[in-house]
Amino acid sequence: GAVVSQHPSWVICKSGTSVKIECRSLDFQATTMFWYRQFPKQSLMLMATSNEGSKATYEQGVEKDKFLINHASLTLSTLTVTSAHPEDSSFYICSARDGRFYNSPLHFGNGTRLTVT
Amino acid sequence: DQQVKQNSPSLSVQEGRISILNCDYTNSMFDYFLWYKKYPAEGPTFLISISSIKDKNEDGRFTVFLNKSAKHLSLHIVPSQPGDSAVYFCAARPTGANSKLTFGKGITLSVRP
Repeated sequence: GAVVSQHPSWVICKSGTSVKIECRSLDFQATTMFWYRQFPKQSLMLMATSNEGSKATYEQGVEKDKFLINHASLTLSTLTVTSAHPEDSSFYICSARDGRFYNSPLHFGNGTRLTVT
Repeated sequence: DQQVKQNSPSLSVQEGRISILNCDYTNSMFDYFLWYKKYPAEGPTFLISISSIKDKNEDGRFTVFLNKSAKHLSLHIVPSQPGDSAVYFCAARPTGANSKLTFGKGITLSVRP
């Protein structure tokens, strides 16, 4: 089945620094990828939709200048958390679907645990 | 405004018995529904889906039932196994393959040996 790879799986950074998270579709091309965030015991909240070759679409309340998304190729999207603060500590998960198949489900990466100290 | 609701936060069942996980939704535009299983510190894994033109979809031990008039769906796991212990998320989206997927809060299933 479709595989989505996310890297790194965890990262600890200091306040004020930036962190880049990569999301790759390994065996299919993804014109659209989705970035989610999950706080403890909460649901997965969609942050933004990443579109290959164009600007990302952000959900209400998500700061586009803080969470920079780049989708430079059909297999890679990156999320950069800029000037990270402790409240950005969360579990970030990317997802993509194989557009060759109608109604194919979203497949998720294994997530990135970000801890900002 | 929670459009996908999983009202029970947890469920515990005996190994070999049936697990029934419930999900309700409010958005009548939703027409494709999915269940995901998630272990701690991992991304969700797709389990099974159903489109609104069906009322049942079965895949091995997993069956999803959809009641459109009640805006309710359920996931049945039978027989339940200890390895099924995880958090299960119900998700839904409207028409359009790249339309946004909305998740419920999840339910933690524990299967006792």
